[in-house]
Amino acid sequence: GAGVSQTPSNKVTEKGKYVELRCDPISGHTALYWYRQSLGQGPEFLIYFQGTGAADDSGLPNDRFFAVRPEGSVSTLKIQRTERGDSAVYLCASSLISAATSGVNEQFFGPGTRLTVL
Amino acid sequence: AQSVAQPEDQVNVAEGNPLTVKCTYSVSGNPYLFWYVQYPNRGLQFLLKYITGDNLVKGSYGFEAEFNKSQTSFHLKKPSALVSDSALYFCAVRDSRGSQGNLIFGKGTKLSVKP
Repeated sequence: GAGVSQTPSNKVTEKGKYVELRCDPISGHTALYWYRQSLGQGPEFLIYFQGTGAADDSGLPNDRFFAVRPEGSVSTLKIQRTERGDSAVYLCASSLISAATSGVNEQFFGPGTRLTVL
Repeated sequence: AQSVAQPEDQVNVAEGNPLTVKCTYSVSGNPYLFWYVQYPNRGLQFLLKYITGDNLVKGSYGFEAEFNKSQTSFHLKKPSALVSDSALYFCAVRDSRGSQGNLIFGKGTKLSVKP
């Protein structure tokens, strides 16, 4: 079956520009997560959606970063006034949350979007 | 605060030999522990998880991991390594008292299996 997809796979932009990164989760997965992975590091949590609402946005580094999931499926991560330090691979994941598993199902990751800010 | 440590940047193993990739964690509540593998130019793939119950967890591709509460460790193991196991391995933890979404990852261990 189809996994998590992310577009674009690569994005090059200039400092100060606005970018949008898209994530299509696995069909039926209610939970969606965004992470950022810098070179030589593990993924760093940004934000988690349960349905349409952001259940935890404690990982967003500042107010230039914003994410939406208006219909509870596709999500868009938006970065305003990009900085060179925003360059990283942005990963999206989804999972099925159910009462039976107490919400600890594994997360399925997409291939990521490599963002380069010049 | 929750954290994960993978003390080895790289592990080198000969094919056919057993392998161990180390992971220790720190959480305030009970830990939920995960191992993921990342192949070049591909997304993270789930290997196995420990939530509760038996301390020895078996996962994909012949991997297993042992939860040790007293040592706060969750080392990944495989009895006989394959060249195709060469990849980047990440340990992750979630605090049972914390957000359902907030997985904390280690910085990864590169596993190199030589023929």
